[in-house]
Amino acid sequence: DAGVTQSPTHLIKTRGQHVTLRCSPISGHKSVSWYQQVLGQGPQFIFQYYEKEERGRGNFPDRFSARQFPNYSSELNVNALLLGDSALYLCASSPGGQTGELFFGEGSRLTVL
Amino acid sequence: GQQVMQIPQYQHVQEGEDFTTYCNSSTTLSNIQWYKQRPGGHPVFLIQLVKSGEVKKQKRLTFQFGEAKKNSSLHITATQTTDVGTYFCAGNSGDYKLSFGAGTTVTVRA
Repeated sequence: DAGVTQSPTHLIKTRGQHVTLRCSPISGHKSVSWYQQVLGQGPQFIFQYYEKEERGRGNFPDRFSARQFPNYSSELNVNALLLGDSALYLCASSPGGQTGELFFGEGSRLTVL
Repeated sequence: GQQVMQIPQYQHVQEGEDFTTYCNSSTTLSNIQWYKQRPGGHPVFLIQLVKSGEVKKQKRLTFQFGEAKKNSSLHITATQTTDVGTYFCAGNSGDYKLSFGAGTTVTVRA
C-alpha cells in the first residue's frame, strides 16, 4: 500500500513568490495535517483538515492557507514567501479526526532565496 | 500555549551503552507520542502513551508517561548503530494538534 505522498520533493523560490505543496494521504485516511520543520527543530503544526473542513490552525500568518479536496488530498499554499519560510514541509495523514498516530510523508523541502 | 521541552539536545553514546531522553510539557497532556527521524528522513511513529504512569516496552526501548501526565521518558538499552537519529516527543492536550519537542539527536560510537 502506498504511504503518504508529497510533491514536489524539492523546490527553490525567491522572496515574494508563492508556492503550492501537495499531499495525498494513505487510502482510507480522512485527516491531513501540515507541519513545518526548520532545520534542527521539531515539526511545528500549521493546519489540520478532517473531512474537508479545517479543524485547527497553528501560529502561522495568513500567508499560509490550505484546503482539502473531496478525495482527501490536500494543498498547502504560502504567499509572499520570506527567507524564513525555508523549511521541510511535512504532510501527515491519520484515519480519523482525533490525534492518534500520524503517518508522515517524505516532505517537500522549500528553499527561499 | 503548550510547550514541550526535550533534553538533552544531543546524546553521543558508545555502542552497547544505555541512555535516556526526557520530555517535559508546560501543561497536562491527554497523551504523548514518540517519533524517530533518521537523518534525511521523515518522522516515524514509535508509540503513544495515554494513561498516567504508563510504561511500554518495544524490544530495547522503554517508554514512560509521568504520573502527572506532564513528562515522559525514552530509555534505550544496549544502543546499536541502528538507533542513530533524532527522537521527538509530541504532546497532545486533547485537541487536533501535536506539539513536538526539539528532539534528541543520537549518535553512536562503534
